[in-house]
Amino acid sequence: DSGVTQTPKHLITATGQRVTLRCSPRSGDLSVYWYQQSLDQGLQFLIQYYNGEERAKGNILERFSAQQFPDLHSELNLSSLELGDSALYFCASSVVETPRSPLHFGNGTRLTVT
Amino acid sequence: AQSVAQPEDQVNVAEGNPLTVKCTYSVSGNPYLFWYVQYPNRGLQFLLKYITGDNLVKGSYGFEAEFNKSQTSFHLKKPSALVSDSALYFCAVRGGSQGNLIFGKGTKLSVKP
Repeated sequence: DSGVTQTPKHLITATGQRVTLRCSPRSGDLSVYWYQQSLDQGLQFLIQYYNGEERAKGNILERFSAQQFPDLHSELNLSSLELGDSALYFCASSVVETPRSPLHFGNGTRLTVT
Repeated sequence: AQSVAQPEDQVNVAEGNPLTVKCTYSVSGNPYLFWYVQYPNRGLQFLLKYITGDNLVKGSYGFEAEFNKSQTSFHLKKPSALVSDSALYFCAVRGGSQGNLIFGKGTKLSVKP
């Protein structure tokens, strides 16, 4: 068990809807990362937060947003959902931001858009 | 721009035989290299990393990886494969002090009894 908790495990929703994915990092980890995993695109980096501040953005759509709260948990908000948004969404955390630090991943939220 | 390539979608090995999962990378600056494993319906688990020093890095579950700067490669190896090693393996790279962790497409390892 990595210590990173993601909820819910599964989410089924319709096109056009909005969902919120939640992540609790490992105890003591200040940095949170969100990744999207799909069959055609592989693992794509979406966004990173460190101690409440946005630090880096990857291939994140404008319909998606995220935040990290004072208690360090993070939420990823996906709106105006499309069929192509169906994927596994992973949260990962690390103690600090140094490039030496490995990321510790949660078990993901599987989003199905119908 | 940094990138990582895993040239094999799938690697098949007999139990007890050595295994190699290949990875090549492209970064500017010194590379920070990682291997992760993903079991079905689970998140990625960290196996090992190369930051600096010895080119042969030892990690979890008997895995090791060899860093080769001239060939820009970081191949994952294990002397004797187990059926339980069957999973999806990801190589990842981060270039220098900046940049995010970029993952390869993954290689499915299948170990048959």
